[in-house]
Amino acid sequence: GEDVEQSLFLSVREGDSSVINCTYTDSSSTYLYWYKQEPGAGLQLLTYIFSNMDMKQDQRLTVLLNKKDKHLSLRIADTQTGDSAIYFCAVGKSAGNNRKLIWGLGTSLAVNP
Amino acid sequence: DAEITQSPRHKITETGRQVTLACHQTWNHNNMFWYRQDLGHGLRLIHYSYGVQDTNKGEVSDGYSVSRSNTEDLPLTLESAASSQTSVYFCASRPGLAAPDAPYNEQFFGPGTRLTVL
Repeated sequence: GEDVEQSLFLSVREGDSSVINCTYTDSSSTYLYWYKQEPGAGLQLLTYIFSNMDMKQDQRLTVLLNKKDKHLSLRIADTQTGDSAIYFCAVGKSAGNNRKLIWGLGTSLAVNP
Repeated sequence: DAEITQSPRHKITETGRQVTLACHQTWNHNNMFWYRQDLGHGLRLIHYSYGVQDTNKGEVSDGYSVSRSNTEDLPLTLESAASSQTSVYFCASRPGLAAPDAPYNEQFFGPGTRLTVL
């Protein structure tokens, strides 16, 4: 079946790096996404990576993809209190007309001053 | 500025009542989605639409219906509200008709509606 798993909580100190991990089961996944949800708000796309890449960097964000192990991670450098949010991993699947995003449950990141 | 809005933001209703949650986007996006978010379940897709007059069931569509009479709106109706439908509901939209997982079709989310069914 289709499954995306994330740890539920992560706590870091301000200024440290945060690493949020995600594993998935569907090897046919094409695009993989990280969304951020701030308290009381909807989700916003943070970044994404195509399945033929193994790394993508965007300012403080680094996405690493290990396709063999079906493991995706999001590293946030110099984590700030404003980074406190829930981070969702989502995996894109295309199979004929059945095209959809499979969502993880989200990792709640707490940044302590 | 273009945006996506949901109303109401909070709603309390009683079991058995019909409830409609509104979603309105001004980007002229073809694709619109309704999700519910619950602790322990993450985001689950209820219904989605690829354009006017098109509606499709998601993974948790029982007890819900949608209609798409224009591009801007996708109202979600709970025909007979149940306590199990207490949740936070998110509407999202996306441009284009390409694959739902394509990165150039980023989903834009509304602020959510918190629904409580007593």
